[in-house]
Amino acid sequence: AQKVTQAQTEISVVEKEDVTLDCVYETRDTTYYLFWYKQPPSGELVFLIRRNSFDEQNEISGRYSWNFQKSTSSFNFTITASQVVDSAVYFCALSEAGGGADGLTFGKGTHLIIQP
Amino acid sequence: EAGVAQSPRYKIIEKRQSVAFWCNPISGHATLYWYQQILGQGPKLLIQFQNNGVVDDSQLPKDRFSAERLKGVDSTLKIQPAKLEDSAVYLCASSPGREETQYFGPGTRLLVL
Repeated sequence: AQKVTQAQTEISVVEKEDVTLDCVYETRDTTYYLFWYKQPPSGELVFLIRRNSFDEQNEISGRYSWNFQKSTSSFNFTITASQVVDSAVYFCALSEAGGGADGLTFGKGTHLIIQP
Repeated sequence: EAGVAQSPRYKIIEKRQSVAFWCNPISGHATLYWYQQILGQGPKLLIQFQNNGVVDDSQLPKDRFSAERLKGVDSTLKIQPAKLEDSAVYLCASSPGREETQYFGPGTRLLVL
């Protein structure tokens, strides 16, 4: 069965610091997708990134970057020069391809607090 | 482009009552999902539809939960009768097709007293 572990329950940093959110996953499939979503206090899940299992290139989008390493089954998320608006709960998620059912399996989330 | 719409946004009921939630996906999205998010946890998939057919309902408590997507567009999720442990946020998501990005609605926050 698939599983996503986000070991960091809560992280608190001061604005402008860099912060990395860890994500470790388990799956038996060779084809799968990894996601990160942001859930601000308003509650709506906001899509950040989707990665397929065959693409291990790191990705950068503004202050956000993602490091995908199949060897360690990790998909970590780094925010550079953090801002107060980055405060939210961040979820890592996995879906397995093939067979039709591709619902997301989420981790428990990391609550990120950026202090001014 | 309009996002996923859900209603109501909040609902308070007493245990053993019935409740229904409505979801309107992004236009043209064939795949629709319902998730349950209990406070402090990540969302958990309840059911997945492809057009108006069920793809996966293995985690849906079928003795009390039901869902339908009759015309392959809107969907309703019903709980009858509700239990205290059903207090959660019910999230609807849609995607253009399978194995594509899921976009979430604002959710319905349910409190069962």
